[in-house]
Amino acid sequence: QKEVEQNSGPLSVPEGAIASLNCTYSDRVSQSFFWYRQYSGKSPELIMSIYSNGDKEDGRFTAQLNKASQYVSLLIRDSQPSDSATYLCAVSRLSFGAGTTVTVRA
Amino acid sequence: GAVVSQHPSWVICKSGTSVKIECRSLDFQATTMFWYRQFPKQSLMLMATSNEGSKATYEQGVEKDKFLINHASLTLSTLTVTSAHPEDSSFYICSASTPVSGGIETQYFGPGTRLLVL
Repeated sequence: QKEVEQNSGPLSVPEGAIASLNCTYSDRVSQSFFWYRQYSGKSPELIMSIYSNGDKEDGRFTAQLNKASQYVSLLIRDSQPSDSATYLCAVSRLSFGAGTTVTVRA
Repeated sequence: GAVVSQHPSWVICKSGTSVKIECRSLDFQATTMFWYRQFPKQSLMLMATSNEGSKATYEQGVEKDKFLINHASLTLSTLTVTSAHPEDSSFYICSASTPVSGGIETQYFGPGTRLLVL
């Protein structure tokens, strides 16, 4: 079983819609969770971090964490074409998911 | 966010030569630096973790004699790909982490170095 699993993509959403990305992890003692965005040919950039159960909102992005279910998600509201990228879920420092590619259709 | 730089951003070399990649944290002192490799359409693969002044910890399957890591200061780590071969062609990305409040570290990635070995 992979340490971090993300929902398979690609995910295509129309402009203005909500994009929902999911991530599950296997290590129950994990304390820190991150979402990175990676544009094609570029390195990842941090967009959200979350450490406590519940929701954390930052602009159009909302991260949700449920440690009991070992689940973390990212919602992108009012999706824009510029949000088209691969989103990587990371658990603690070292475990990255394979990424989910999001395409926002204009 | 914090800034991490890498140099060079891309390099083309002949098979058998060695290539050195630098990773610098520009506005903070990094307790730990990481080196990743990413092949096309694949996720990041951690190669090694380095702490200033100590030997790097390599992930399983990564040859430490081929990928030499030197972490000379809290702001600089270098990765040297020795005797590079075409299969070493990849996107090499470093990251640096520093403790934030509550003891939780956050990683900041460099822009990456694209290596092509002919």
